[in-house]
Amino acid sequence: DIVLTQSPLSLPVTPGEPASISCRSSQSLLHSTGYNYLDWYLQKPGQSPQLLIYSGSNRASGVPDRFSGSGSGTDFTLKISRVEAEDVGVYFCMQALHTPSFGPGTKVDFK
Amino acid sequence: QVQLVQSGAEVKKPGASVKVSCKASGYRFTDSYIHWVRQAPGQGLEWMGWINPKSGATNYAQRFQGWVAMTSDTSISTAYMELRRLTSHDTAVYYCARDTDTSSFDPWGQGTLVTVSS
Repeated sequence: DIVLTQSPLSLPVTPGEPASISCRSSQSLLHSTGYNYLDWYLQKPGQSPQLLIYSGSNRASGVPDRFSGSGSGTDFTLKISRVEAEDVGVYFCMQALHTPSFGPGTKVDFK
Repeated sequence: QVQLVQSGAEVKKPGASVKVSCKASGYRFTDSYIHWVRQAPGQGLEWMGWINPKSGATNYAQRFQGWVAMTSDTSISTAYMELRRLTSHDTAVYYCARDTDTSSFDPWGQGTLVTVSS
């Protein structure tokens, strides 16, 4: 099974400042089609997860452009250019190249 | 808009079964797989399996094989997840999610809390 690790697991942030989360996979998530099967989700307090980024770098519909995803193969990064109050929650990466699996989550809250 | 609405919270005794429903709207139900994911209190996300509502085909995570059953009723655009022989370790929020054409999960249902307690 593919194992995803995230760092950091806890990220205190300052509103208006940038933030970055890393996700590493035990196997390459790059498919022969050229797509990376790596998504990012945000689970706000008391809510269901919501899709932020798909295929490594594509923003889902309605996601603000302060969110961006990058990376390929085994190393991926989610960046928030300027953190806003509504961005607090737990961020998960997920791979669907093989049996779906999730990273442990990164809790983002304000300092 | 595309929406998944799940059934309400359940309290079950150890050894019992639970069946959670997930009603889809806003798209053709048979066009997309439905995944089930669970989240134990304070824990991460665990994928349980998927069902293809068009064919009824299923694919379960290895650890759930033999004690989970996923079904669907296309006449009412609803998917179901039944978990048998419950133990306290099955206390969790259970989510359904639609599979997209990029193999992402979007959207997710609101979640169903299943509590197993004697």
